[in-house]
Amino acid sequence: NAGVMQNPRHLVRRRGQEARLRCSPMKGHSHVYWYRQLPEEGLKFMVYLQKENIIDESGMPKERFSAEFPKEGPSILRIQQVVRGDSAAYFCASSPPGQGGSGNTIYFGEGSWLTVV
Amino acid sequence: GEDVEQSLFLSVREGDSSVINCTYTDSSSTYLYWYKQEPGAGLQLLTYIFSNMDMKQDQRLTVLLNKKDKHLSLRIADTQTGDSAIYFCAERGANYGGSQGNLIFGKGTKLSVKP
Repeated sequence: NAGVMQNPRHLVRRRGQEARLRCSPMKGHSHVYWYRQLPEEGLKFMVYLQKENIIDESGMPKERFSAEFPKEGPSILRIQQVVRGDSAAYFCASSPPGQGGSGNTIYFGEGSWLTVV
Repeated sequence: GEDVEQSLFLSVREGDSSVINCTYTDSSSTYLYWYKQEPGAGLQLLTYIFSNMDMKQDQRLTVLLNKKDKHLSLRIADTQTGDSAIYFCAERGANYGGSQGNLIFGKGTKLSVKP
């Protein structure tokens, strides 16, 4: 049973370009979360999605960032017109459906490291 | 607001026990988690504890929860050099509205194990 799969693992973008990060949840998991980790910091919640629905995007910057989890295919975190401050590790996590709609266990992927030059 | 605090560094000798401490502020937290992160890698879920428990043991790992003081600790027995990593404490609130997966993380404790 493969874990949470993220790609690319490393991505370099020039300022103003777009970055697309993909995440396939663990098999049987229907809840996906995106987190951002800045250097020397803990992880900060960005968005929580279920299939075709954004449940909680309270941690998403208001501009340039968007996320989706289509009926088919991976979840995508999209950053438009990247700036140097977007350089960070972006982690996807997933959990199975469970009590309250979310399982107790939340598993993380290996992360996508974005560098903006 | 919600906050999770951890000391930033801990250094121990191989074979000793390590105790990593964490405090949190959200008294409605339902689950508390410990994750391990090695350099350049993702987060590995080590263990979690439900808020109605005060202790959980899993092989070399022991988690203690003091709800009154909002204090969580992770004890690693017989610490090995392979345990060197950053350990994150995280809490999940009781809001089953939109924030079910919104974990609040501490900044992490860097554990160094000296041979």
